[in-house]
Amino acid sequence: DAKTTQPNSMESNEEEPVHLPCNHSTISGTDYIHWYRQLPSQGPEYVIHGLTSNVNNRMASLAIAEDRKSSTLILHRATLRDAAVYYCILRETSGSRLTFGEGTQLTVNP
Amino acid sequence: DTAVSQTPKYLVTQMGNDKSIKCEQNLGHDTMYWYKQDSKKFLKIMFSYNNKELIINETVPNRFSPKSPDKAHLNLHINSLELGDSAVYFCASSRFAPIGTDTQYFGPGTRLTVL
Repeated sequence: DAKTTQPNSMESNEEEPVHLPCNHSTISGTDYIHWYRQLPSQGPEYVIHGLTSNVNNRMASLAIAEDRKSSTLILHRATLRDAAVYYCILRETSGSRLTFGEGTQLTVNP
Repeated sequence: DTAVSQTPKYLVTQMGNDKSIKCEQNLGHDTMYWYKQDSKKFLKIMFSYNNKELIINETVPNRFSPKSPDKAHLNLHINSLELGDSAVYFCASSRFAPIGTDTQYFGPGTRLTVL
């Protein structure tokens, strides 16, 4: 799987939007962009995924650059419960496994 | 109802022992996985089964043996435990065999400590 680069950590204030960046300059045309998060002492949890177009769901939005070399996970109003490690992962269309990198540790301040 | 469950939650044992971790999913999924998260928090896939058939087998010591009695269960047996086996082990499941669009659902993890 192609490599992703994320900041080690980010901070946000409660009820403010958070933009978590991910660079994936070697992405191929068939790679999907997935985001998972891991809350403290829990298993990873799916957040969102996309291919080319921006995506929204009840948890977050995913903004994908036009050249697909970067993407941004957007939490519209951070809550304390959103404090977690966020992983940006590229997956090929067929037969690929989830390869977790180091992720971004998000701290949400009250 | 818990979607993916693991037992036990904590496991403390001596070096050289043999132990098993059990995983069950009630989502009706075809594929199950075992991941290992070490002390540095890196998550790495170990095995994957699709309809009871092994489809992913990473470079894992053969002391680790997965067993899938049916597609709702995937157990992990570890022989001759070593200190380096101490980690958190996560089970996961997905509806289909690993593809670019599937979503994996993870269990709560089993923290294994080898003394």
